[in-house]
Amino acid sequence: QVQLQQSGPGLVKPSQTLSLTCAISGDSVSSNSAAWTWIRQSPSRGLEWLGRTYYRSKWYNDYAVSVKGRIAINPDTSKNQFSLQLNSVTPEDTAVYYCARGSFPAATGPNFDYWGQGTLVTVSS
Amino acid sequence: DVVMTQSPLSLPVTLGQPASISCRSSQSLVSSDGNTYLNWFQQRPGQSPRRLIYKVFNRDSGVPDRFSGSGSGTDFTLKISRVEAEDVGVYYCMQGTHWPWTFGHGTKVEIK
Repeated sequence: QVQLQQSGPGLVKPSQTLSLTCAISGDSVSSNSAAWTWIRQSPSRGLEWLGRTYYRSKWYNDYAVSVKGRIAINPDTSKNQFSLQLNSVTPEDTAVYYCARGSFPAATGPNFDYWGQGTLVTVSS
Repeated sequence: DVVMTQSPLSLPVTLGQPASISCRSSQSLVSSDGNTYLNWFQQRPGQSPRRLIYKVFNRDSGVPDRFSGSGSGTDFTLKISRVEAEDVGVYYCMQGTHWPWTFGHGTKVEIK
């Protein structure tokens, strides 16, 4: 059974960096079939895909246009986890942040089949 | 990016009565492989989202048969034949045909 355990602060000051970590059990961050993803949820935007990291003989990253230039998602193979860093945050970045495993089995198509517990991050001074 | 538009945003329903949620995409969701990658997710209060329906009308394992999906091209619908108390939550459509995958804003189902 795959489990994702999130950690990180729930309060970040404006202009600073939001940092969250997602520890994986039951799977590997280096899996050739998974994409390790960050998604956030807010009343104004609903569910918003932020980006992913995945390994297919080498490491790849994809990021949403809305946060490109401010975001970094990095794997840590030694700890079997991945992280999110979002720079220069504003109150608009206040949201519940989720890590999730993205997959694309041929039979059932794209899915986020395992999710972390969610972390409410408030951007405020 | 493909924009997914859901309606209504809020749906008060009487227990035992049907409910219907609409989802429209800004582009056709028919993939080059012939599949239509339209999913429905349910998020119960205090929980993470989980997928209910994949490829328009297929129920995931363990999903009650009171949930059904339909539609094609750009117009899709999730129906609950008889709403139960455990169905309260927010429902999202999600397209996986075009990159990046995108979600609708969600429809909040609540009991009247």
